[in-house]
Amino acid sequence: SQQGEEDPQALSIQEGENATMNCSYKTSINNLQWYRQNSGRGLVHLILIRSNEREKHSGRLRVTLDTSKKSSSLLITASRAADTASYFCATDGRTSGTYKYIFGTGTRLKVLA
Amino acid sequence: EAQVTQNPRYLITVTGKKLTVTCSQNMNHEYMSWYRQDPGLGLRQIYYSMNVEVTDKGDVPEGYKVSRKEKRNFPLILESPSPNQTSLYFCASIPRVTGEGMNTEAFFGQGTRLTVV
Repeated sequence: SQQGEEDPQALSIQEGENATMNCSYKTSINNLQWYRQNSGRGLVHLILIRSNEREKHSGRLRVTLDTSKKSSSLLITASRAADTASYFCATDGRTSGTYKYIFGTGTRLKVLA
Repeated sequence: EAQVTQNPRYLITVTGKKLTVTCSQNMNHEYMSWYRQDPGLGLRQIYYSMNVEVTDKGDVPEGYKVSRKEKRNFPLILESPSPNQTSLYFCASIPRVTGEGMNTEAFFGQGTRLTVV
């Protein structure tokens, strides 16, 4: 499978704590993106990091990328109950001439008020 | 408002009854794609389209058809649905694929939850 994997599969924290989730992927990439999905709804784009970048920030989000290890991490600081959702990493997979995003299996984050 | 609209949001149907899930985007995007999401399997691509009249198979195309007659619309057709096509379906679009790959955010529809009995 070309799919990436997120770690952990599920994470439960208290409001105000930081949440860290990791993503590993298998092929070389042009960029890596993180998406949030609220229960059964559409995915919402959070942040994109290019293969030549190592770290990127957006509000309370911090993303790192290590292309040598084929891994990325998403840090959400000062978490809120509204951050409760599933988080997916996605890489742009250009293999065998097809164009698609390759999604990880997701981390389910629960932030307790 | 820039958006991808899928219809219907929920659908229960019987095995073998042809159905179409519509997808429309108002952003003049060239690239559109369909995914299905299943527990433990994540999102898997069914079909994609690079532009009008240009479509190609993704990872799990069996049992599905698509068409791209207009830039804004990319319907997903199930000619003879079966219970193993029960899933949550998403349509997504991006402006275009460049030499740098798919280097922009994807816009997703709200999803269509399909149950085939």
